[in-house]
Amino acid sequence: QSALTQPASVSGSPGQSITISCTGTSSDVGSYNLVSWYQQHPGKAPKLMIYEGSKRPSGVSNRFSGSKSGNTASLTISGLQAEDEADYYCCSYAGSSTSLVFGGGTKLTVL
Amino acid sequence: QVTLKESGPVLVKPTETLTLTCTVSGFSLSNARMGVSWIRQPPGKALEWLAHIFSNDEKSYSTSLKSRLTISKDTSKSQVVLTMTNMDPVDTATYYCARIRLEGVVFDYWGQGTLVTVSS
Repeated sequence: QSALTQPASVSGSPGQSITISCTGTSSDVGSYNLVSWYQQHPGKAPKLMIYEGSKRPSGVSNRFSGSKSGNTASLTISGLQAEDEADYYCCSYAGSSTSLVFGGGTKLTVL
Repeated sequence: QVTLKESGPVLVKPTETLTLTCTVSGFSLSNARMGVSWIRQPPGKALEWLAHIFSNDEKSYSTSLKSRLTISKDTSKSQVVLTMTNMDPVDTATYYCARIRLEGVVFDYWGQGTLVTVSS
């Protein structure tokens, strides 16, 4: 299965908002409302930030939000903070035969 | 609290078989709403889902690696085992196990990961 497409990098200044896109196909992102987003700091395990496209787990800041339109899911981080600097990965369910597919990851730099 | 911990060799030789164990606590492998997945990440590269297993022994594998992977579980030991045959240097990666929740098909808890290097 092909990886979902994410921009390699995005950047923003503290306090600003940024959006990371995750483009798939009608077989994965477009067919299921089962996109999740993970934050990964260097040397650490990924952390769940958004699931089912727009739901936040307990403990995740409401500065993080998710949405989907067609075959593209998006993660928006508002009020950027220095600690948001990390890699972000999207992941989508792709049906029982393919199961799960990750995006290529996006490096967020807080300027 | 929920924890997962990977264990296995740090170094394997090309063509050898890798066996990794994920020991979980804080939840049961017999829980119908949960399963365990293996995910890997080559140095500096993206995450790649490998396989998962659920309480009813339902298994699923990455299409590209299916012929080389086997996942199994021992509920009494709270362990999930992944074997990968015919290891190659390109399989050098940090291997994570993660709990997968059926609701949302989401990885809600992750192990710390274990770096496996494939080299002669």
